[in-house]
Amino acid sequence: DAKTTQPPSMDCAEGRAANLPCNHSTISGNEYVYWYRQIHSQGPQYIIHGLKNNETNEMASLIITEDRKSSTLILPHATLRDTAVYYCIVRAPTFDYKLTFGKGTLLTVNP
Amino acid sequence: GAGVSQSPRYKVAKRGQDVALRCDPISGHVSLFWYQQALGQGPEFLTYFQNEAQLDKSGLPSDRFFAERPEGSVSTLKIQRTQQEDSAVYLCASSLSGYTGELFFGEGSRLTVL
Repeated sequence: DAKTTQPPSMDCAEGRAANLPCNHSTISGNEYVYWYRQIHSQGPQYIIHGLKNNETNEMASLIITEDRKSSTLILPHATLRDTAVYYCIVRAPTFDYKLTFGKGTLLTVNP
Repeated sequence: GAGVSQSPRYKVAKRGQDVALRCDPISGHVSLFWYQQALGQGPEFLTYFQNEAQLDKSGLPSDRFFAERPEGSVSTLKIQRTQQEDSAVYLCASSLSGYTGELFFGEGSRLTVL
């Protein structure tokens, strides 16, 4: 059963911020939110993860709502190379050794 | 190499043939996963190894699918008597620790069964 809901596709202009939403209304207290992306013909790549605080790394920012029922992945300055399928996954790392993928969001960055 | 390596990248098999797909994980990674990805879908879990022990094979679709990791490093996914519905990309991933570590994926092996 899917634990997350994402829009099937989104578009973004090159150089602008891409904001990818994810709903996870049934998330448990010990579950983290993970984001991976998959560029065409490649394997998925880890982006970022968080529990309840906002997180930032060199690739992206993750904003989690206070009730933790939804989150947004932000790519601050999207480039053409960011065109990919983005997967939002909830996982309790101390219990779940595997990632369960949904269908993700196809982000297309346009020139 | 620094990443997860999979071979072959592309495999075409006739229906009924056996195939073997190889995965070289990142050195020192304890955990290894196999996933199957059909066209237009997200990856689906097949099986999980911790070192040489196969701890979870709940995702293997039939007894024609078999995976091994005899020395706790390289793994092989074998599919016997291939069927057309086995056509997919088979992804291997490894992590330092199965529970807390980030998963590193290979580029996958694309299997086409004619």
